[in-house]
Amino acid sequence: QSVLTQPPSVSAAPGQNVTISCSGSSSNIGNNFVSWYQQLPRTAPKFLIYDNNKRPSGIPDRFSGSKSGTSATLGITGLQTGDEADYYCGTWDNSLTVVVFGGGTKLTVL
Amino acid sequence: EVQLLESGGGLVQPGGSLRLSCAASGFTFSTYAMSWVRQAPGKGLEWVSISYSGGSSAYYSDSVKGRFTISRDYSKNTVFLHMNSLRPGDTALYYCAKSHRRSYSFDFWGQGALVTVSS
Repeated sequence: QSVLTQPPSVSAAPGQNVTISCSGSSSNIGNNFVSWYQQLPRTAPKFLIYDNNKRPSGIPDRFSGSKSGTSATLGITGLQTGDEADYYCGTWDNSLTVVVFGGGTKLTVL
Repeated sequence: EVQLLESGGGLVQPGGSLRLSCAASGFTFSTYAMSWVRQAPGKGLEWVSISYSGGSSAYYSDSVKGRFTISRDYSKNTVFLHMNSLRPGDTALYYCAKSHRRSYSFDFWGQGALVTVSS
């Protein structure tokens, strides 16, 4: 059972938009910044979003992040088949004093 | 170019020990926190441990506390994970990860080292 809750899977057609939610609490998301990672099959995770809504260099603006209260959301517009991957949110938990990740969301581009 | 190269994985019996290494290059190693994150087969990411720059403090997940120790060799730009009393549940791909500006945000990851605990 992960501290951060994500939907196990989402799906959409190419060209459509999708959002992935990440729900936490005041001890983690509510008082810390959220990052998002993309893990393509059989590869290491890739840094996608940091500080809730900032993109590292090289990440296309089709990817966006937001945070409200104790929840965060990853948005992907103009879906491409190459976006099929597992997506994870992560942050720090002040009560547990550990880094916490969501359980991951598998994105299928139909 | 930032590179993180893990080594030291392998097959070990329950109760055994193993040391993972992560050789870092392409950035000022002493400036950034470094973490180990693992992924059991078919499962999600699980953070294991973090070593803050300067090496003065480290944190561990409850699942490994008291059994695993993180350390750094600043002369070799290498971070280690010393794993003792290994259990089958520790079987996973272990990633070394470099922290971004915030210690709990990871901008670069290694390719992973596979640890299998089995008799």
